[in-house]
Amino acid sequence: GAGVSQSPSNKVTEKGKDVELRCDPISGHTALYWYRQRLGQGLEFLIYFQGNSAPDKSGLPSDRFSAERTGESVSTLTIQRTQQEDSAVYLCASSPRARGLIDTQYFGPGTRLTVL
Amino acid sequence: DAKTTQPTSMDCAEGRAANLPCNHSTISGNEYVYWYRQIHSQGPQYIIHGLKNNETNEMASLIITEDRKSSTLILPHATLRDTAVYYCIVRVKVDNNDMRFGAGTRLTVKP
Repeated sequence: GAGVSQSPSNKVTEKGKDVELRCDPISGHTALYWYRQRLGQGLEFLIYFQGNSAPDKSGLPSDRFSAERTGESVSTLTIQRTQQEDSAVYLCASSPRARGLIDTQYFGPGTRLTVL
Repeated sequence: DAKTTQPTSMDCAEGRAANLPCNHSTISGNEYVYWYRQIHSQGPQYIIHGLKNNETNEMASLIITEDRKSSTLILPHATLRDTAVYYCIVRVKVDNNDMRFGAGTRLTVKP
């Protein structure tokens, strides 16, 4: 079946511009995660959505970062007034999480963001 | 969550078994051991997970020591396509949202 998809695959922007990154999770997956991976480093958790619950935003690095999710489908990560340190690969993952069960996360291919 | 320690890099000959170790000496009784890998320029891929017993699936085997302080991921017949960074992660509870990936082990499979 279809996996997690992300768009665009690459985004080059100028410092100070806003960007929107899109994630389409696997159909039926209730949980959705956003991560950031800087070059040569591990994954950094950003935000987590689970069904209709309030999202866990504890990983967002600043108020320039925000994310929304429509029901249990598409999510958009928005970065306002981009800075050069925002350059990274942004990864989205979904999982068929149900309370009480151990989940696995299925990752998309990522969006490579370059801020000039 | 318990921290994990993995070697920075390993080499393996094509067709041979690749054994990737992971130390998690502070693991708690309700923490699971997960393995993911990330092939260059792709998102991480789930491999396997376990709690106490050894586990096997179509990709790999997971051997967890009796005291659960370490584990080994085994790729029985490594191929060039298995070249990737392998991450060992322990997670404390089902509602833990944050899966923290460390630096992992860079496995290079050589012909």
